[in-house]
Amino acid sequence: AQSVSQHNHHVILSEAASLELGCNYSYGGTVNLFWYVQYPGQHLQLLLKYFSGDPLVKGIKGFEAEFIKSKFSFNLRKPSVQWSDTAEYFCAVTNNDYKLSFGAGTTVTVRA
Amino acid sequence: GAGVSQSPSNKVTEKGKDVELRCDPISGHTALYWYRQSLGQGLEFLIYFQGNSAPDKSGLPSDRFSAERTGGSVSTLTIQRTQQEDSAVYLCASSLAGEQYFGPGTRLTVT
Repeated sequence: AQSVSQHNHHVILSEAASLELGCNYSYGGTVNLFWYVQYPGQHLQLLLKYFSGDPLVKGIKGFEAEFIKSKFSFNLRKPSVQWSDTAEYFCAVTNNDYKLSFGAGTTVTVRA
Repeated sequence: GAGVSQSPSNKVTEKGKDVELRCDPISGHTALYWYRQSLGQGLEFLIYFQGNSAPDKSGLPSDRFSAERTGGSVSTLTIQRTQQEDSAVYLCASSLAGEQYFGPGTRLTVT
């Protein structure tokens, strides 16, 4: 069974700082990769996705992620965070069998 | 347009009672999923429906859990004889081409 690891449980940073959240997965075949965000009191929303093509994908709100196949990684980045980026972030993987496997999530707290 | 909706938003029930959770997917989406989000287990896949195919029930934690999807649209997740470990947020998602859209969830508390 595939698994997804998110390296950081809780990240605290100040506004304008850069953010990078790590995600590694265990499955060796073809994968589709996602980052979801859950703002306080809101439901899961898709930030970005990778199916194929350019391994550097751009999502909403200035987020981007890079798929590195050799490292089984899909790290999420944002060059300059805002207070409104305070949320929980989930990495998810599916190997074309539709079932999303989620990481444990990373809580990001941005201090104003 | 309308997103995935779920009802009720909150449900408190006594241990041993049955509960039904409802999901209305995005119109036209052929695939529907149920997940569970709990403190100890994170986000877990429960069940998947795709069109008229037999559902994938591989994620259901016990035979107390069942789900159906009527007319290829609305889905109901039923938990019989609820236990305290069933307390969680139950999420529904739907998709048309790989990208899953999530509903707000039903928070179930078993007392």
